[in-house]
Amino acid sequence: DVKVTQSSRYLVKRTGEKVFLECVQDMDHENMFWYRQDPGLGLRLIYFSYDVKMKEKGDIPEGYSVSREKKERFSLILESASTNQTSMYLCASSLPGGYQPQHFGDGTRLSIL
Amino acid sequence: QKEVEQDPGPLSVPEGAIVSLNCTYSNSAFQYFMWYRQYSRKGPELLMYTYSSGNKEDGRFTAQVDKSSKYISLFIRDSQPSDSATYLCAMSVPWGSGSRLTFGEGTQLTVNP
Repeated sequence: DVKVTQSSRYLVKRTGEKVFLECVQDMDHENMFWYRQDPGLGLRLIYFSYDVKMKEKGDIPEGYSVSREKKERFSLILESASTNQTSMYLCASSLPGGYQPQHFGDGTRLSIL
Repeated sequence: QKEVEQDPGPLSVPEGAIVSLNCTYSNSAFQYFMWYRQYSRKGPELLMYTYSSGNKEDGRFTAQVDKSSKYISLFIRDSQPSDSATYLCAMSVPWGSGSRLTFGEGTQLTVNP
């Protein structure tokens, strides 16, 4: 079974802080993704990485950056956290190929005060 | 207009009922169709995955795709209280070396004993 692990289930930070969310997958997947999930808006893609040090912007990259230094690890960075970034953040991974499904972690519920 | 429309519910049924969950879409480029199940405070879990029009069955679950009508459905037979969750439809297009998923908002299902 694919295992995608997000380092924190719940996180509370203050406005203006730099926030790091970590994700690790154990299936040697090339592709990794960060989404946020909000009521009424569903899941929206923030960033996608298809290889170490490679990244593509998703639908809502503003205010976020990512880092992928190792194949199994993909980090989401909130450069200066704001209250509108309070959300559930989900990491996913997949094998390469347009037909490959994505496998999700259990999410980090982030609150920015 | 959203690319993927899904009735958010909530939907409440008695145990043993047949459940029908539906999504419509507008983007003809979608090639792969998925259903994810998301329990409370967990990440989405891949339930069904189809490519072509027609039906795909897995136990009590049947996924149906009608590309001509741009309509997909998930049927749950003999529904159980353990089926209580939010069900997300997702559709993908190839993107780079992977795929880009577009999700519906999710339908919250409660199966009452």
